[in-house]
Amino acid sequence: DAEITQSPRHKITETGRQVTLACHQTWNHNNMFWYRQDLGHGLRLIHYSYGVQDTNKGEVSDGYSVSRSNTEDLPLTLESAASSQTSVYFCASSDYRDHGYTFGSGTRLTVV
Amino acid sequence: GNSVTQMEGPVTLSEEAFLTINCTYTATGYPSLFWYVQYPGEGLQLLLKATKADDKGSNKGFEATYRKETTSFHLEKGSVQVSDSAVYFCALSDRGNQGGKLIFGQGTELSVKP
Repeated sequence: DAEITQSPRHKITETGRQVTLACHQTWNHNNMFWYRQDLGHGLRLIHYSYGVQDTNKGEVSDGYSVSRSNTEDLPLTLESAASSQTSVYFCASSDYRDHGYTFGSGTRLTVV
Repeated sequence: GNSVTQMEGPVTLSEEAFLTINCTYTATGYPSLFWYVQYPGEGLQLLLKATKADDKGSNKGFEATYRKETTSFHLEKGSVQVSDSAVYFCALSDRGNQGGKLIFGQGTELSVKP
């Protein structure tokens, strides 16, 4: 069965370190998205991609970057982790605007 | 810009009670509307959707009707179960956006007591 997987599920890192969160989907979806979920803020869009070599900034992109070298993967990199980036991160993919998203199980990141 | 507003939680109900979670939106054009559910420790799952005015989405006993005149998409269920305890998110996809980028509401936590 097709799926979308995120790794790791939990990560603790130190302030200032570079961290990369992985997202891999086997749905063959062109569209992929990264959100962060924080209490009181719902889900906020970080970056998204509509296809290979395409990346776009969302509403909270500062301090984050993504790259899309193939259809299956959209890794999220925190260039220099900050305590404000402690959050739960969700990756999602879609094929068409009316079909909605398929979500991964999330990565809980703690920056100490 | 586009936005989604949900009623604040938490909502606490007894088993078999009627559920309504309000959702209103602001958008240009004619967005598609979605409800997602998040169970503890899990990612979000699509619960139901509606892609045009007056459409009714339904799944697992939940329903929501796309009301263009009131810009609303309220979630309802006639008889909730303990297993419905979760966080519910309303979302819209701007039809001008080919990629289906979703804008989410804040989420409403539902707790159902036996």
